[in-house]
Amino acid sequence: GDSVTQMEGPVTLSEEAFLTINCTYTATGYPSLFWYVQYPGEGLQLLLKATKADDKGSNKGFEATYRKETTSFHLEKGSVQVSDSAVYFCALSDRGYQKVTFGTGTKLQVIP
Amino acid sequence: DTAVSQTPKYLVTQMGNDKSIKCEQNLGHDTMYWYKQDSKKFLKIMFSYNNKELIINETVPNRFSPKSPDKAHLNLHINSLELGDSAVYFCASSQAGTDYEQYFGPGTRLTVT
Repeated sequence: GDSVTQMEGPVTLSEEAFLTINCTYTATGYPSLFWYVQYPGEGLQLLLKATKADDKGSNKGFEATYRKETTSFHLEKGSVQVSDSAVYFCALSDRGYQKVTFGTGTKLQVIP
Repeated sequence: DTAVSQTPKYLVTQMGNDKSIKCEQNLGHDTMYWYKQDSKKFLKIMFSYNNKELIINETVPNRFSPKSPDKAHLNLHINSLELGDSAVYFCASSQAGTDYEQYFGPGTRLTVT
């Protein structure tokens, strides 16, 4: 079946540091890939997505590139802010299964 | 306008009780989901309905019973609540035939004492 593996947290960074959160996947079909963010006390919301190989999703300074050859979708941001502190989930959807498979989540804490 | 709403936001109850959580979406989507998030933030899908038809039923105790009166509503009823049911429950919706981008509700925090 499909699966998503992302780096364990928590990740603690100083403000303006560079962020990378690794995500790799296995899928039987040709999935769409997502990053969701969950701020404290809230539901998940879509951060960015990519639907085919070599696509780059971007939003709010975050970027991720769909790498089919390495089955990866790493999340990056050049300069994090305290307001980016949240839990980040990598996910994939496979139309054949009509559902989304989520990774275990990575907690990011940004300190001033 | 709230896209996906859930009620109640907090639910505190005792073991053995029966409780329900309601979910409504106004996005016009035809697929709705229930997820359970534990204290470590791990997200597990429980059920999915497409146009009122159950399409995903993961390994969930029979005490959990979803009901979809129409494609805009998906409720979750839990019988004989146990301590291990304490978690945050999220409703979500998406449109079938697309990339299944999920739109989540704000969550219901269930505490069983």
